[in-house]
Amino acid sequence: EPEVTQTPSHQVTQMGQEVILRCVPISNHLYFYWYRQILGQKVEFLVSFYNNEISEKSEIFDDQFSVERPDGSNFTLKIRSTKLEDSAMYFCASSEMRVPPADTQYFGPGTRLTVL
Amino acid sequence: AQSVTQLDSHVSVSEGTPVLLRCNYSSSYSPSLFWYVQHPNKGLQLLLKYTSAATLVKGINGFEAEFKKSETSFHLTKPSAHMSDAAEYFCVVSEGGGSYIPTFGRGTSLIVHP
Repeated sequence: EPEVTQTPSHQVTQMGQEVILRCVPISNHLYFYWYRQILGQKVEFLVSFYNNEISEKSEIFDDQFSVERPDGSNFTLKIRSTKLEDSAMYFCASSEMRVPPADTQYFGPGTRLTVL
Repeated sequence: AQSVTQLDSHVSVSEGTPVLLRCNYSSSYSPSLFWYVQHPNKGLQLLLKYTSAATLVKGINGFEAEFKKSETSFHLTKPSAHMSDAAEYFCVVSEGGGSYIPTFGRGTSLIVHP
């Protein structure tokens, strides 16, 4: 069964450094998403991406964040200058479409980002 | 605006007994509702979803949920718990109306005792 993959599984970085989290969505999916989950808190939507541009983004997704689909398979989340509060689990997801019935989002296993 | 409340942070059951994980939502539109499960060190896996078809939705691994508009609820049930059901469960609402940003509940940790 096809699945979403994410690398690395755990990333440790120093405050102020740039990090890139990588995701490989399911191959025939058109919509891509990033979420984060700070320890002990809810899963929060960050951004959705379709046709090489951002479809929607939350207020969390400020200028420090960017997303890119650099080739036909990868989808990346970049944090330009990490802060302590960026420490969280980051999930990538993909879906065929954005409306039912093909709007089911399939999630990757997550990347745990620790900012020191 | 949409919101979702999972009423229990932890639910503890014995193997072989029924499971009930409660979820209430609010939405200004006709929402899509989902239940996801997360096993340790794994991604979120879709259990089932409601998208305005039948109100009783059957999912994987024997789980089902009933959409009750009058009660704004979408509780998850399973007749008989298995040890492998121990995991974190998330109720999710996506209300449409031009926005497809889903809102997650805080999660319910299901503990299954032998």
